[in-house]
Amino acid sequence: DVKVTQSSRYLVKRTGEKVFLECVQDMDHENMFWYRQDPGLGLRLIYFSYDVKMKEKGDIPEGYSVSREKKERFSLILESASTNQTSMYLCASSPTGDSGNTIYFGEGSWLTVV
Amino acid sequence: AQSVAQPEDQVNVAEGNPLTVKCTYSVSGNPYLFWYVQYPNRGLQFLLKYITGDNLVKGSYGFEAEFNKSQTSFHLKKPSALVSDSALYFCAVRAYGNDMRFGAGTRLTVKP
Repeated sequence: DVKVTQSSRYLVKRTGEKVFLECVQDMDHENMFWYRQDPGLGLRLIYFSYDVKMKEKGDIPEGYSVSREKKERFSLILESASTNQTSMYLCASSPTGDSGNTIYFGEGSWLTVV
Repeated sequence: AQSVAQPEDQVNVAEGNPLTVKCTYSVSGNPYLFWYVQYPNRGLQFLLKYITGDNLVKGSYGFEAEFNKSQTSFHLKKPSALVSDSALYFCAVRAYGNDMRFGAGTRLTVKP
């Protein structure tokens, strides 16, 4: 079975803290994604990576960075958390090569910034 | 640019009745269309997708979707709704590259 694991399900952080959200997939997928989900806005792409050490900005990269040192792991970093980054964050992965490939999601990480 | 629209924020249906969740898309080129379901406090689960071929696609949990190129639609359907189908449903499109675009979501409520 496909498995995308987000290690932290619920986090509460203070404004200005540096926050790391970790994601691991066990399917040897080339592509990995970070989305943010907010009510009424659906999912918005923050960053994606199509290979180790490669990354591309999505629609809302401001205030975020990412790291992909190994194929199976994709980290989202909030350099200085702000209250408007309170949201649900979803990691996903997919094989490369065909746009018809399914994207598989983790269970999500709920981040509250106070 | 590719995009999807889900015109209904909320759909209510009685258990046992047919359900439809609507989705329209805009894309250059051939679209790859997906439906996902999200239960409370969970990630998105893949339901079905249209790549090519038959316009009626069958997926998980008895759901199906009909691709209509002339109307640029990909509506999700089920002949007989269950209370357990109550969830948030997302339509998505992927036309080129690796990026997938999602609609805002439709909350389906099935009442006993």
